Formats: sequence, C-alpha cells, structure tokens
Amino acid sequence: DAGVTQSPTHLIKTRGQQVTLRCSPISGHKSVSWYQQVLGQGPQFIFQYYEKEERGRGNFPDRFSARQFPNYSSELNVNALLLGDSALYLCASIDTRSSYEQYFGPGTRLTVT
Amino acid sequence: AQRVTQPEKLLSVFKGAPVELKCNYSYSGSPELFWYVQYSRQRLQLLLRHISRESIKGFTADLNKGETSFHLKKPFAQEEDSAMYYCALSGPNRDDKIIFGKGTRLHILP
Repeated sequence: DAGVTQSPTHLIKTRGQQVTLRCSPISGHKSVSWYQQVLGQGPQFIFQYYEKEERGRGNFPDRFSARQFPNYSSELNVNALLLGDSALYLCASIDTRSSYEQYFGPGTRLTVT
Repeated sequence: AQRVTQPEKLLSVFKGAPVELKCNYSYSGSPELFWYVQYSRQRLQLLLRHISRESIKGFTADLNKGETSFHLKKPFAQEEDSAMYYCALSGPNRDDKIIFGKGTRLHILP
C-alpha cells in the first residue's frame, strides 16, 4: 500500500483561474480531510468527508468546495484563485476502522501568480 | 475560541541535552491532544496522542489541564530528532477536525 496519494505534486495557476486537487486514501479508510498549510503556519482544516458526505467545514470561503467519490477518493476545488491561496494542500486519510488516526499525504504545492 | 499556541518558532538544543517543546491550548471542554512531526522531505505524521500515554522515540507529553499545556519532552536529544513539530488538538468525538499550532522547528546541534 503506497499510503495516501495526492496529485498533482506541484502546479502553478494565475489569479482568477480554477484548480482541482486529488487525493486517494489508504485502502479501507472511508474518510478524508483536507488542510491548507501556508508557509510558516500549521495546517488549517478545510473539509472532512465521510462516506461521500461532508462532515465538517473550516472557515474558508465558498470558493472552496470538495467531494468524495464512491471509491472514497476525493477532490478539492478552488475557484477564482487569489494570491493568498498559494499554499501546500494536504489530504489526510482517516482510519475509520479503529483509531481514527489521520494519515497525511505528501501534499500538493499550489502557487498562484 | 479553540486555539493551539506554540511559543517557539525555533529551538536549538545540543545532542544529549534535554528537550522541551512547549504547547498551550484553549478549548472549552475536554480535547484530545496530539503531537505531529515532519522530518525533512517526509510527510506529516503522528508522533503521539495523550490518550495513548505512550512514549514514542523517547518522547513523552503530559496533559496539564490546569495550565492547559501539553509540552513535549525528551531527556536526551538525538540528531535524528531534528524536525518540525506541531502540537494539535481535536474535540472529544473521534471524527472531530484537528486544529494545529504553528509549529516549532527543533534543531539538534552536534
């Protein structure tokens, strides 16, 4: 098992564009969380999904949206990109079978110019 | 307000010396407390959580509810302990979101 995978690794977008980030959780995990990590800060919670339903939402504008698919993979979408959206976006796969420990992916580095 | 405060951005400690990474929290209720670590070029990973009361890689952390602190300690620092450390909390429900502090970079000097 490769663990949590995220794609792409890096991408560069310009202001006003839209971006989609992808996450595949660990096999058997039915829940994922998304976090934004701005340089010099800790990760900040964006969304949590469990069995395709939104279970929690952080303090982010409506430009941020997400969904989870029947195979438990997930996408994070950000519309109308701003310079301040430049960050590392982390996906965490949650072990819903027992400990509820969150296993983090390598992240997607988004740069908005 | 729910908040995690790590007062030190950088902590430099000589190899073999004791380490203490400070963490204070604000939460109305009984949170679950964690320490996460990120080694160079590796993923963020759980180091320990207070409910398990384990010692991982020689690190321990005691929850002090009176002082609302959860400091991370190790009696003798090793060079491989150099990393970024994040204190975090979540609510009492297993699927509550995690709130992270800003992190402390631990640098072990030879």
